[in-house]
Amino acid sequence: GAGVSQTPSNKVTEKGKYVELRCDPISGHTALYWYRQSLGQGPEFLIYFQGTGAADDSGLPNDRFFAVRPEGSVSTLKIQRTERGDSAVYLCASSFNSAAGSNTQYFGPGTRLTVL
Amino acid sequence: AQTVTQSQPEMSVQEAETVTLSCTYDTSESDYYLFWYKQPPSRQMILVIRQEAYKQQNATENRFSVNFQKAAKSFSLKISDSQLGDAAMYFCAYRSGYAKSQKLVFGQGTRLTINP
Repeated sequence: GAGVSQTPSNKVTEKGKYVELRCDPISGHTALYWYRQSLGQGPEFLIYFQGTGAADDSGLPNDRFFAVRPEGSVSTLKIQRTERGDSAVYLCASSFNSAAGSNTQYFGPGTRLTVL
Repeated sequence: AQTVTQSQPEMSVQEAETVTLSCTYDTSESDYYLFWYKQPPSRQMILVIRQEAYKQQNATENRFSVNFQKAAKSFSLKISDSQLGDAAMYFCAYRSGYAKSQKLVFGQGTRLTINP
C-alpha cells in the first residue's frame, strides 16, 4: 500500500506569512506524529495525535504552531507569522495504535520549509 | 528527560567491510525501545532495526545487527558486508515504553560513506 505522503515537498515563504503543511498517513494508522529537522540535526518531536485528538503537544515551540487532524486521518501543521528560524524539514510519521508495543513509526519524505 | 548521543558525526568504510556506529542514551526508565533509522538524501527516514529493552538477545536484520548493552546504556549498530546503497545518515532513537509518551528522541546522526 501507499506510504506516508506529505505536501508540498518544498515550500518557500516570506517572513511573517502563514503556511500549512499536509500529511496523509498510511491507511489504518491511528497515530500520527510531526517532527522538525533542522539542518545537520536529528528530528525533534513536535506533536502526536491518537485519532483526532492531540495526545501530546509538548514539542510545539510556541503558539505560532498548531496542528489539526479533524477526521483522524489527514493532518495539517499550521505555522503563523513565520520566522527565519522556522526553516527546516518537517517530517510526518504514522503508526498503528501507539499505546501497544514497539509500534514502528513510518515516515514521509518531509516538507522542506524555507522562510526568506 | 531522555537523551540520545551519537559521538561519531561521520564514518567511512570500504565496500564489503564491516562498520560499527555508536549510540548511547540516558534514561531512568526500565521499559523502552531503541531504533536505528537510515535517512538517504531523499529525506525519508527508513527503519533499519529495533530493540526492545526487555529482550536480552540482540536484534538482527540480515546484514544489520545491534550490540545492546543495557547496563551501559549503549546501542551500537553493526553493518556487515557494506554496500554502496548503505550510504546515508543514520539516526539512533529512543522511545519510552509508557503509553503516554510516544515520541521518538533522536541522536544527532552519523553520516556513513561507503568507499568503492
